[in-house]
Amino acid sequence: DVKVTQSSRYLVKRTGEKVFLECVQDMDHENMFWYRQDPGLGLRLIYFSYDVKMKEKGDIPEGYSVSREKKERFSLILESASTNQTSMYLCASSLSRVTGGDTQYFGPGTRLTVL
Amino acid sequence: AQSVAQPEDQVNVAEGNPLTVKCTYSVSGNPYLFWYVQYPNRGLQFLLKYITGDNLVKGSYGFEAEFNKSQTSFHLKKPSALVSDSALYFCAVRDSRSNDYKLSFGAGTTVTVRA
Repeated sequence: DVKVTQSSRYLVKRTGEKVFLECVQDMDHENMFWYRQDPGLGLRLIYFSYDVKMKEKGDIPEGYSVSREKKERFSLILESASTNQTSMYLCASSLSRVTGGDTQYFGPGTRLTVL
Repeated sequence: AQSVAQPEDQVNVAEGNPLTVKCTYSVSGNPYLFWYVQYPNRGLQFLLKYITGDNLVKGSYGFEAEFNKSQTSFHLKKPSALVSDSALYFCAVRDSRSNDYKLSFGAGTTVTVRA
């Protein structure tokens, strides 16, 4: 089974802090994604990556950056956390760009609260 | 552009009754369609997907979905609902003509199955 793990289930940070959210997948997937989930808005894509050291902006990249130094690890960085970044953050991975209809597999999520 | 709509915020059914969760989509090419389920404080779990072929797709936990091209719909169904099916359900779509692998998610439908 595909396993996607996220470093924290719950996180509380203060406004202005730098925040790192880590995601690791163990199935040698090429693609990795970061979403935020807010009630009534579904999932919105922040950033994604097709390969090591490669990143693409999603629909809401403002206030975030990412890092992918190794294939299995994709980090989301909040350079200066703000209260409007309080949300559930979900990481996902999928196998390859070559195949169509690629299923994304999700981690358990990190619920971030910024005070 | 690709988008998906889940017209019902909430669906309530009695245990043992049929369950339907509605989804409509908009794409310029052919759709790749997905259903995910999210239990409280958990990540998303993949249920099923439609890529091509038979319009009726069978998935996990007794769920199935019917692709209807003329109505641009992909409704999720279960013949006999269980209390344990109570969760948040997301429909997602990717346009076959898109050159990235981003999914667009609906806002989600909360299903409550009463005993």
